[in-house]
Amino acid sequence: EAQVTQNPRYLITVTGKKLTVTCSQNMNHEYMSWYRQDPGLGLRQIYYSMNVEVTDKGDVPEGYKVSRKEKRNFPLILESPSPNQTSLYFCASSLVPQAATNEKLFFGSGTQLSVL
Amino acid sequence: AQKITQTQPGMFVQEKEAVTLDCTYDTSDPSYGLFWYKQPSSGEMIFLIYQGSYDQQNATEGRYSLNFQKARKSANLVISASQLGDSAMYFCAMRDLNTGFQKLVFGTGTRLLVSP
Repeated sequence: EAQVTQNPRYLITVTGKKLTVTCSQNMNHEYMSWYRQDPGLGLRQIYYSMNVEVTDKGDVPEGYKVSRKEKRNFPLILESPSPNQTSLYFCASSLVPQAATNEKLFFGSGTQLSVL
Repeated sequence: AQKITQTQPGMFVQEKEAVTLDCTYDTSDPSYGLFWYKQPSSGEMIFLIYQGSYDQQNATEGRYSLNFQKARKSANLVISASQLGDSAMYFCAMRDLNTGFQKLVFGTGTRLLVSP
């Protein structure tokens, strides 16, 4: 089954304790991206990757790191989490979006993160 | 500047009736794509429908249709014959030339409640 798998589904941590949210896709997609969802703000892009070893900042990259060592994996790293990073996080993938094509994003099931 | 505007935080509809969820967008690019996603209470993001800026006809997918008015820069989602399972959060999103098509920009969402 074609899917984007995120883990964990729920995570509660404390300020400053490094954490990693994993993301893996089995559709051979070049493009992967991380979003965070906050009430009243919709989804905002954190980082994206156009291919292996190619990553770039989205709209809200502060406090996050990513890496793309393999095509299928795109982990999100919070080196020193803070309470304002409490949010619902989504990983997404697609074929490389070119022009105004209908390359829809396939989303993972989300990770609800609480930083105390 | 916010590119996608969803002015209805919440909408109510009775089962079997039609409902329109509003979405306006702002772009100066001639080439762009518009997407609608559904987020049920379980949290996953489900792709519903796509409209390209050059598409001559309004998009339709089963009970979902898109009322695309290019001059007004609006892309309203119409759900016909509402079902209880349509109760969810709905997001409008856009990809355009300005962002290099490298991200979807989301609106703040509309929560739809379908009553029996």
